[in-house]
Amino acid sequence: SAVISQKPSRDICQRGTSLTIQCQVDSQVTMMFWYRQQPGQSLTLIATANQGSEATYESGFVIDKFPISRPNLTFSTLTVSNMSPEDSSIYLCSVEIRGRNRETQYFGPGTRLLVL
Amino acid sequence: SQQGEEDPQALSIQEGENATMNCSYKTSINNLQWYRQNSGRGLVHLILIRSNEREKHSGRLRVTLDTSKKSSSLLITASRAADTASYFCATDGGSGAGSYQLTFGKGTKLSVIP
Repeated sequence: SAVISQKPSRDICQRGTSLTIQCQVDSQVTMMFWYRQQPGQSLTLIATANQGSEATYESGFVIDKFPISRPNLTFSTLTVSNMSPEDSSIYLCSVEIRGRNRETQYFGPGTRLLVL
Repeated sequence: SQQGEEDPQALSIQEGENATMNCSYKTSINNLQWYRQNSGRGLVHLILIRSNEREKHSGRLRVTLDTSKKSSSLLITASRAADTASYFCATDGGSGAGSYQLTFGKGTKLSVIP
């Protein structure tokens, strides 16, 4: 397994501002993912972040709105830009750990964002 | 497209009873996973079942997979109040370059009444 931490754990932001969420893993991982969970909804994949390459975004998500950095194998950031109340969600990062259950993903605790 | 539709959407049971949640999906998969999410918290991985497996156990959890029906079930036996949470199934993308990406269902909200 992996120990994944996220900062901040929660934040309240004003419309039009940006927030950068950090994700730190205690081991080197190739694949990291960012998800969004809107209130009462399931998780939706925003993008896949692999070290050394540009993030791959899912339909409906664009780099200008959700820029992602992946400077090394243990760290990634997701920025929510020019926020609106519709961006209020829990944002989670996850990593894929290869082992006996090689496709297993492990999740961080999430960042709860409220945009006013 | 969205896979992993769970039912029921909400389930309320008494402590000690068994809870069964179902998940259906649409396309071929390599594996199916179940996660638990306590209110407002991150996901906790519960169990992974591969497409060539039919049943798997982990403590009080039992997962079945029927690839012919594209469905899975999660059974929690002898439920406890601490089992109160939302449960999600997640499927990978099957074969292909994007197969590692998980798609989640809407989840089943389980309430265990003491």
